[in-house]
Amino acid sequence: EAAVTQSPRNKVTVTGGNVTLSCRQTNSHNYMYWYRQDTGHGLRLIHYSYGAGNLQIGDVPDGYKATRTTQEDFFLLLELASPSQTSLYFCASSEGQGAYEQYFGPGTRLTVL
Amino acid sequence: GQGVEQPDNLMSVEGTFARVNCTYSTSGFNGLSWYQQREGHAPVFLSYVVLDGLKDSGHFSTFLSRSNGYSYLLLTELQIKDSASYLCAVRDLGTYQRFGTGTKLQVVP
Repeated sequence: EAAVTQSPRNKVTVTGGNVTLSCRQTNSHNYMYWYRQDTGHGLRLIHYSYGAGNLQIGDVPDGYKATRTTQEDFFLLLELASPSQTSLYFCASSEGQGAYEQYFGPGTRLTVL
Repeated sequence: GQGVEQPDNLMSVEGTFARVNCTYSTSGFNGLSWYQQREGHAPVFLSYVVLDGLKDSGHFSTFLSRSNGYSYLLLTELQIKDSASYLCAVRDLGTYQRFGTGTKLQVVP
């Protein structure tokens, strides 16, 4: 069974702060995704990647950078955090292009004061 | 425009059934997935449909009508533990899914 882990699980920072969220998957999936989940908006895709060194933008990329360093590891970077980025962040992975089943990590709750 | 719509809430009685609706509009269609998300947990994949009609998977069944941009997830013989949010996700001609806001199902005794 695919395993996706995220760290930290909770994070509090201040406006203008620098935050890095980490995600690792151990099922050799090609695709990895970063989502944010907010009441009234559901899950929204920030960035995704189909392999090490690749990055694609999703629907809400503004204010976020991401980097895929290996097949296993995908990072989300907030370089100047703002209160509007307070949210629950999920990482997910899936097999090749067109895969309909995504495996989600447990989530990171980020609060920007 | 493109969107995936779901009602916010649904309540059903234990032992009966619940139908969770999803309507969508996309520039193309490459399948629709359903996920269950319990409070405080990550979404978990339930089912995938790409052809019209009813797909019976026991406790969970799914229906799709591509011409109407409509799908539903049917839960039968409801149990209290089925209380959760149910998310619909549609994949268009791109490579990623777009999620609806989810329907929170409450199963009551």
